[in-house]
Amino acid sequence: AQRVTQPEKLLSVFKGAPVELKCNYSYSGSPELFWYVQYSRQRLQLLLRHISRESIKGFTADLNKGETSFHLKKPFAQEEDSAMYYCARLKAAGNKLTFGGGTRVLVKP
Amino acid sequence: EPEVTQTPSHQVTQMGQEVILRCVPISNHLYFYWYRQILGQKVEFLVSFYNNEISEKSEIFDDQFSVERPDGSNFTLKIRSTKLEDSAMYFCASSAGQINSPLHFGNGTRLTVT
Repeated sequence: AQRVTQPEKLLSVFKGAPVELKCNYSYSGSPELFWYVQYSRQRLQLLLRHISRESIKGFTADLNKGETSFHLKKPFAQEEDSAMYYCARLKAAGNKLTFGGGTRVLVKP
Repeated sequence: EPEVTQTPSHQVTQMGQEVILRCVPISNHLYFYWYRQILGQKVEFLVSFYNNEISEKSEIFDDQFSVERPDGSNFTLKIRSTKLEDSAMYFCASSAGQINSPLHFGNGTRLTVT
């Protein structure tokens, strides 16, 4: 079964501090991994996909196949980064997305 | 940028009643999904739909649930006889279905069963 694990339910950091959200996935072939963000009362929005290797809003995520991890990082957190973050794995093209439990990030001024 | 739209944003119903949650996926997408999120819990997969049929469903998606694409634009989720534990946010999503195509989500419908 596809499993995505986010061990931290809540991360509280001060503005300007680094933040890292952990995500581990169960091994099964070539993973397609994503980070979604949900700001207060808004829809789930795609933040990053591993295939793009891009930086969005200062966030980056590196796929580590050896550790089966896809941690999300930002060197300097901003107050507007406060949100729920979900790591997700796509089973295959057109198939379902399996979400981790989510991590709430709270950035304090 | 095109978006997935869901109506209503909030639905209150009595236990035992039927509800239909509506979604308009992004127009050129081929794969459609329903997810739900009970308050304080993770986002859970309910069902995926492709080529006018269910391609996968979870254990949650029992006989009380059904999906339909009645007119080529809408994608509906029907709960035949609601239970208290059906109270949740229900998210519709669509995808182009190509390799690494992400799912695009709607704003969700908050269903409250009293």
